[in-house]
Amino acid sequence: DGGITQSPKYLFRKEGQNVTLSCEQNLNHDAMYWYRQDPGQGLRLIYYSQIVNDFQKGDIAEGYSVSREKKESFPLTVTSAQKNPTAFYLCASSISRERRWQQAFFGQGTRLTVV
Amino acid sequence: GIQVEQSPPDLILQEGANSTLRCNFSDSVNNLQWFHQNPWGQLINLFYIPSGTKQNGRLSATTVATERYSLLYISSSQTTDSGVYFCAVHRIPPHTRGGGADGLTFGKGTHLIIQP
Repeated sequence: DGGITQSPKYLFRKEGQNVTLSCEQNLNHDAMYWYRQDPGQGLRLIYYSQIVNDFQKGDIAEGYSVSREKKESFPLTVTSAQKNPTAFYLCASSISRERRWQQAFFGQGTRLTVV
Repeated sequence: GIQVEQSPPDLILQEGANSTLRCNFSDSVNNLQWFHQNPWGQLINLFYIPSGTKQNGRLSATTVATERYSLLYISSSQTTDSGVYFCAVHRIPPHTRGGGADGLTFGKGTHLIIQP
């Protein structure tokens, strides 16, 4: 099946620890994104990447890091510097045609809880 | 950055009613999508509609790009339509490399409750 796979679905972290959230896509999409959603809120962009080995900060990048070593993979690390990491994290991907972004598709999300 | 405003923030309807959800955006866009977030948090693609009108069963959407708004229509609502509906846009950046420079910017959503 083609799509975007996020893992794990649920993640518990102790304060002070770094954790890495996985996002893999087999859609051959160029761009990948990470979003954060807090309860009752919309989605806010953390990081995005248009091509391999390149990524850009979104609106709320502080306390997060990413890498894009392969087209299919865009892992997100939530570092201990992120002051309020408990949230729902969503990964997405999309493709560009004729300088216009086509529709984005989302994974099922990872719920991160700091204990 | 671009601003995306959705209205109404909350909507409670009886089963069978029709509804219209609105999305206003503050800048030119080259992509607009409507999503339905289900109770498990997954975002379901409803429409990719940077301009024009599309229909899919009981749902339809219209985007008037020149006036910077989009509408999502739900007819004959069912309880399974309940959830949060999000509008998201890709603005046209002033200078791009590879076709786009930003991620989708989301509105805060419309929380729809359909009562039996």
